[in-house]
Amino acid sequence: DAKTTQPPSMDCAEGRAANLPCNHSTISGNEYVYWYRQIHSQGPQYIIHGLKNNETNEMASLIITEDRKSSTLILPHATLRDTAVYYCIVRVDYGGATNKLIFGTGTLLAVQP
Amino acid sequence: KAGVTQTPRYLIKTRGQQVTLSCSPISGHRSVSWYQQTPGQGLQFLFEYFSETQRNKGNFPGRFSGRQFSNSRSEMNVSTLELGDSALYLCASSLAPRSPLHFGNGTRLTVT
Repeated sequence: DAKTTQPPSMDCAEGRAANLPCNHSTISGNEYVYWYRQIHSQGPQYIIHGLKNNETNEMASLIITEDRKSSTLILPHATLRDTAVYYCIVRVDYGGATNKLIFGTGTLLAVQP
Repeated sequence: KAGVTQTPRYLIKTRGQQVTLSCSPISGHRSVSWYQQTPGQGLQFLFEYFSETQRNKGNFPGRFSGRQFSNSRSEMNVSTLELGDSALYLCASSLAPRSPLHFGNGTRLTVT
């Protein structure tokens, strides 16, 4: 199973872009990178996912390096409500589609006013 | 569209009892997964169901079980509760396996 490595915590000023890095050096060719976040006392929230191309949606952008060994989640204009634990996950595949996700410890992003 | 609904939101049980937690997925979602979250172990996969069939199981003892009904609603059961079972139990649904998961806000179980 591919594992991910994230910094335990990061700070970001409100209104600035938050760039959250993730290393997944053992990712295999057919594994996607997913990002979720968890705000205190809530369930994880899906943000975005990608295979090898950069992706953007209404919440964030995902930049995946060409060798796919790392990625960066970008929140373009962070607000206080973006304070949460952000999880970078590589989708596990046991010979078939599965929803078994392996969560690491994530990055606690603290958006400062 | 309503999100994933988990009931009850909070539960207090004593050691040795059993508990059943309920999950209603997003309408149209046929895949349901369960996760346990504790401060020490983080988020851990329990099991996954699709079309009433268990497709995957995490590394938990047999006291943890689940099922999925024909309307995609799911329940999980924990028998002979132990203090270490105190946790936030999260249910997630998706359209199908490999689709993004959408989580409920969980059931907070406290075992005393």
